[in-house]
Amino acid sequence: GEDVEQSLFLSVREGDSSVINCTYTDSSSTYLYWYKQEPGAGLQLLTYIFSNMDMKQDQRLTVLLNKKDKHLSLRIADTQTGDSAIYFCAEYIASGGYQKVTFGTGTKLQVIP
Amino acid sequence: NAGVTQTPKFRILKIGQSMTLQCTQDMNHNYMYWYRQDPGMGLKLIYYSVGAGITDKGEVPNGYNVSRSTTEDFPLRLELAAPSQTSVYFCASSKGGRDEQYFGPGTRLTVT
Repeated sequence: GEDVEQSLFLSVREGDSSVINCTYTDSSSTYLYWYKQEPGAGLQLLTYIFSNMDMKQDQRLTVLLNKKDKHLSLRIADTQTGDSAIYFCAEYIASGGYQKVTFGTGTKLQVIP
Repeated sequence: NAGVTQTPKFRILKIGQSMTLQCTQDMNHNYMYWYRQDPGMGLKLIYYSVGAGITDKGEVPNGYNVSRSTTEDFPLRLELAAPSQTSVYFCASSKGGRDEQYFGPGTRLTVT
């Protein structure tokens, strides 16, 4: 299976940390991504992680990958109102000449001032 | 670079009408994609192309057609619009299959 699942909604207070979770079912994923979609706009890549890594940090963003549980998370430190958006995880699978990117359902992050 | 541009931004169609959603990219990307986004459903891939003259179906191709005569352009055609095609449509492009996808601003389509 190639489903990528996320919870639909997350609400946090400004200044707190946000943790957005994602589970995927295909163990042959080689790259995993986090995209951000602001209201009325297309998606933009935030960060990505190779499947041979456990963690990646980029300023306020920390990505954790648990390959055993097929679980990916995005932590946003010191969440700001400008972080309010929909966050999508996505996985890239390439196997025997076949390749595709599958996006999750998206998590809407609401930051309360 | 303008990136990925889409036209129109909004459109209302009557059932049975046809239309073409335009998508152009100026980054010389080989890969181009069409997605639809429905509330709470994430993005569903309609069609994609790995280069000029090559297209393939995604998860939800029924009711749509595409062509890729140039590297820059990847139009999406709806032949007989149905209410189930009410959605927001996004075009995207990438250099390779695993590379960052660049998205256009979207087309909000309503079929009544």
